[in-house]
Amino acid sequence: DADVTQTPRNRITKTGKRIMLECSQTKGHDRMYWYRQDPGLGLRLIYYSFDVKDINKGEISDGYSVSRQAQAKFSLSLESAIPNQTALYFCATSDPSQGYEQYFGPGTRLTVT
Amino acid sequence: KQEVTQIPAALSVPEGENLVLNCSFTDSAIYNLQWFRQDPGKGLTSLLLIQSSQREQTSGRLNASLDKSSGRSTLYIAASQPGDSATYLCAVPSGGSNYKLTFGKGTLLTVNP
Repeated sequence: DADVTQTPRNRITKTGKRIMLECSQTKGHDRMYWYRQDPGLGLRLIYYSFDVKDINKGEISDGYSVSRQAQAKFSLSLESAIPNQTALYFCATSDPSQGYEQYFGPGTRLTVT
Repeated sequence: KQEVTQIPAALSVPEGENLVLNCSFTDSAIYNLQWFRQDPGKGLTSLLLIQSSQREQTSGRLNASLDKSSGRSTLYIAASQPGDSATYLCAVPSGGSNYKLTFGKGTLLTVNP
C-alpha cells in the first residue's frame, strides 16, 4: 500500500461549490504539506503543518483552508471553488528522522467548471 | 526569493546514452536539495536527497552532485533506458528553511528505443 494516499484522485466540480481533498499517510511523519501544480508555473506550496496544532500558510493560501484531523490526516478545502483553482493537487510528508526528504502522494486532478 | 532553473527544458536521447540534467538556484543558503521524477499525470517520486554538507549522492544508475557555492546541482543518468522517460524536477528549501520547497519547472526526458 502507498505511504501517502489522496482522495479523490479526480474531481470535477462547478464554480461556487465547496470541495474537500483528503490526504492520509502511514509514514508516521509529523510534517504534512499541500501543493498545487499548474502547467508552466510548477509546484507551489499552499499550506503546511508541523503537527495537529501547528498549521501555516504557504505561498498561495488565498481561497483555501486546511484541517489537520490527526497526525496522519491533512485535508484541503476550497470553500467556494473558482475555475482558476483547476490544477493538480499534491499532498506530501516529511520528518527530521529522514533528513526532511519530502514524500508525495499520487495527486488529485481537480477541474472547476 | 529563491529561484530554481532547470536546463534543458526537454531532452531526447537514444537508449543507452549517458546524460546530465542541470539545476541552478539563486540562494546558496540551502538545507538540502531533492531530485524527483514525475510520470505523466502521476505523483512525484523522490529520487535523491543531498544534504547541504554532501557533495553527491548515488542510487543505482543515478548520481546527483551539489555545489552550493555556485548554486548548482546535476543529475547524471547512466545507460539510459526507455523507462527513464519522465519529467525530472529539482527542489530546494527556501528562506533558510528545511521544508518550504521551491521547485524548478523540470526537464522532460525522452529516451528512444
